[in-house]
Amino acid sequence: SAVISQKPSRDICQRGTSLTIQCQVDSQVTMMFWYRQQPGQSLTLIATANQGSEATYESGFVIDKFPISRPNLTFSTLTVSNMSPEDSSIYLCSVVDRTLSYEQYFGPGTRLTVT
Amino acid sequence: DQQVKQNSPSLSVQEGRISILNCDYTNSMFDYFLWYKKYPAEGPTFLISISSIKDKNEDGRFTVFLNKSAKHLSLHIVPSQPGDSAVYFCAASLYNFNKFYFGSGTKLNVKP
Repeated sequence: SAVISQKPSRDICQRGTSLTIQCQVDSQVTMMFWYRQQPGQSLTLIATANQGSEATYESGFVIDKFPISRPNLTFSTLTVSNMSPEDSSIYLCSVVDRTLSYEQYFGPGTRLTVT
Repeated sequence: DQQVKQNSPSLSVQEGRISILNCDYTNSMFDYFLWYKKYPAEGPTFLISISSIKDKNEDGRFTVFLNKSAKHLSLHIVPSQPGDSAVYFCAASLYNFNKFYFGSGTKLNVKP
């Protein structure tokens, strides 16, 4: 399975600021996703990070609020822009390598608190 | 509209007994199903999966059953251990694996 790391692991940010979360995978993977898990909720897909092109966003999520980069097959970033307390959540990076299997693997998550 | 549902938010089981976690889905086109375990402050960990062409998959203490006609899957843990205490998520995917749909999770507590 792929080994996924995320930075930072947690942060406390002020309202109106932005935070960029990094996701690094130890191998090249075909698909990378960004999820959000709000307190007591399920995992909600924010977007699919596409290598070399714009991310594909799910309903309710927009690029201006959650810009995503994926410069290569092992790395992606998610920025949470103009934060409000409602953005307090755990943000998770996940990958699927369809050349190996169909399981989806997750990073350890970034716990964000917005005050 | 949530396409994957876990109707039991919590489950408590005695150590050594069987834990049965349930999951229902609405989309008959789902082709692949997965179970994840999540400890606090960690990302979900892949546990076991099953494709729609099977009705059972077993891995050690963990067995997943799929009933396509009922659009229902379940995870059996036998025997349950205190270390199994975690939140369990079921997930489903279409054939192209471009998107995974997650249930809301069931918190399992295995009592010593």
